[in-house]
Amino acid sequence: AQSVTQLGSHVSVSEGALVLLRCNYSSSVPPYLFWYVQYPNQGLQLLLKYTSAATLVKGINGFEAEFKKSETSFHLTKPSAHMSDAAEYFCAVSRGAQKLVFGQGTRLTINP
Amino acid sequence: SAVISQKPSRDICQRGTSLTIQCQVDSQVTMMFWYRQQPGQSLTLIATANQGSEATYESGFVIDKFPISRPNLTFSTLTVSNMSPEDSSIYLCSVEDLRRGASGEQFFGPGTRLTVL
Repeated sequence: AQSVTQLGSHVSVSEGALVLLRCNYSSSVPPYLFWYVQYPNQGLQLLLKYTSAATLVKGINGFEAEFKKSETSFHLTKPSAHMSDAAEYFCAVSRGAQKLVFGQGTRLTINP
Repeated sequence: SAVISQKPSRDICQRGTSLTIQCQVDSQVTMMFWYRQQPGQSLTLIATANQGSEATYESGFVIDKFPISRPNLTFSTLTVSNMSPEDSSIYLCSVEDLRRGASGEQFFGPGTRLTVL
C-alpha cells in the first residue's frame, strides 16, 4: 500500500525566505509523486509532478522538488517566499492510472 | 489541461435531505474521481466513476449513501443521501485523461462546499 507523510501541519516563513515543505512516501513500486496547492475556497492546482524522468522537478510559481529514492522523500522548495504563496500544500503519490493518495497537508503562512 | 466545473459551488442543507453535485469537464476524459475533504483535513477518495458501468467505491463509502452516475465521458454526478452534519465537507471531482499517459496526474474542480444543519 502507498502512503504519504507530510512533516509539519503548519509552516511559517518570512517573505523572501526559503520555503521547505517536507514529504516522505511509502510505495512498493516506483511511484509517481505530486505536489498540489489549494488556495482558500478553491480546488487543487497541480504545482509539479515526478514521473521517473529527471529527479529535480521544476513547477509553477518558482517551486521545485527533488525526488530522493534513498530517502523516500519528495520535498518541495522555493528560494524566496512571496505573500501570494500562502496556501495549503498537499503531497500525493500514485502508481499511475489509479487513485491518488494524499498527505495530511501543510498550511504555509508567509510573514511580512 | 482539462477545465472542470462543479455545481453548486456551495449549499446549506437540512438533515435527512439529499444533494446532487454535478461535475462537467470541457473535454472527454477517461477517469473521473470524487473526493471528500472534511474541515481542516486532507482529501479522501470516495469513488472512481466509470463511464457505462458502476462506480468503484473505496473502503468506508457505500453506494446507498453516495450514489454516482457517469452517463458520458464529460459528466458525472455525486449524490450525498440522507445527510447528517457529519457530511459537512468540501466535495471535489477530478479527472485523469489516460490519453496523456497513465501518470496518475489529476485535474480538480473548484469543489462544492456543503454544510448540513
